[in-house]
Amino acid sequence: DADVTQTPRNRITKTGKRIMLECSQTKGHDRMYWYRQDPGLGLRLIYYSFDVKDINKGEISDGYSVSRQAQAKFSLSLESAIPNQTALYFCATSDPGTKSDTQYFGPGTRLTVL
Amino acid sequence: GDSVTQMEGPVTLSEEAFLTINCTYTATGYPSLFWYVQYPGEGLQLLLKATKADDKGSNKGFEATYRKETTSFHLEKGSVQVSDSAVYFCALSDTGTGGFKTIFGAGTRLFVKA
Repeated sequence: DADVTQTPRNRITKTGKRIMLECSQTKGHDRMYWYRQDPGLGLRLIYYSFDVKDINKGEISDGYSVSRQAQAKFSLSLESAIPNQTALYFCATSDPGTKSDTQYFGPGTRLTVL
Repeated sequence: GDSVTQMEGPVTLSEEAFLTINCTYTATGYPSLFWYVQYPGEGLQLLLKATKADDKGSNKGFEATYRKETTSFHLEKGSVQVSDSAVYFCALSDTGTGGFKTIFGAGTRLFVKA
């Protein structure tokens, strides 16, 4: 089984709809992240969480919110989706016990907003 | 702020050709440096990393050396295979500020022809 899972894998929605992307991990890591990938822009950080009580905005948090329900679960919500939020979304984890902060990624969710 | 710049793609090579993908960085602290690879339809996965100056990371025939004097971490492979076709991301994690986030380059797509 995969260490970091994301649901759904693909989603098509309409402008104005609320949508939630979910992430679960079995790696036992405290740190979790949500990234957005757009062609030619690499990955941009939306939100990150160092533990259940710690939530931080990344560089592109406007229009998004998150919830850290447990150490293993970190959800991303789009309260009112708009077309320029069409992108590939990745969840990742890392282990604060390591010096280098290697990231472990889920398979991604492809979101299309019409 | 911290940043990562990598060569634009796509890069197209014939099988068994030599590969170099350039990566340079700016950082205020003492970063760890990474190369991640993304195969079609998958999330990113760590390819190799280096945590201090002059370290060489290596994996699957790929190598990169952490050059502090030139702020570079170029990826090389002596003989590419069709299966190496993927998108490659250079990244840094600035451990000088607690290593709380990773900065990614824009990615370089590699096509290897048989």
